[in-house]
Amino acid sequence: DVKVTQSSRYLVKRTGEKVFLECVQDMDHENMFWYRQDPGLGLRLIYFSYDVKMKEKGDIPEGYSVSREKKERFSLILESASTNQTSMYLCASRPPSDLSTDTQYFGPGTRLTVL
Amino acid sequence: RKEVEQDPGPFNVPEGATVAFNCTYSNSASQSFFWYRQDCRKEPKLLMSVYSSGNEDGRFTAQLNRASQYISLLIRDSKLSDSATYLCVVNPGGFKTIFGAGTRLFVKA
Repeated sequence: DVKVTQSSRYLVKRTGEKVFLECVQDMDHENMFWYRQDPGLGLRLIYFSYDVKMKEKGDIPEGYSVSREKKERFSLILESASTNQTSMYLCASRPPSDLSTDTQYFGPGTRLTVL
Repeated sequence: RKEVEQDPGPFNVPEGATVAFNCTYSNSASQSFFWYRQDCRKEPKLLMSVYSSGNEDGRFTAQLNRASQYISLLIRDSKLSDSATYLCVVNPGGFKTIFGAGTRLFVKA
């Protein structure tokens, strides 16, 4: 079974803090994604990576950065946390792109609260 | 207009009922379509892909209508365990996929 793990299930930070969210997958997938999920808005893509050291902006990258130094690990960084970044953050990985299937494997999520 | 739109529900149905969800998408060039299921406080998981010819997996049937740009999910003989949020997912091509906001289903005894 594919396993995607995230460093924390719940996190509480203060405005202005630098926040690191870690994601690790064990299936040697090239593609990894960071989403945030908010009520009524669904999952919105923040950043994705299709290879080590490669990254692309998603739909809402402002206020975030990412790092992928190793294939199995994809980190999301909030440079200076703000209250509007309070959300559920979901990491996903996916095997090489195949349009006939879009099986993204998600981690359990990190619920971040910024006070 | 959102790229992928779903009726948020909730749909409240008794056990054994048949329920259908629709999802519309705006990009006519979209290439592939999926339904994911998300249980309360859990991560989304792929339920099924949606093919042009329609496809069935047990009690679940998915249909695609390219002309009208919508996909549907039909659940027959609903079970209590079907209670979840169902996410419509569209791949417009490339790496990105677009998730709908989800439709909540409650199946009651």
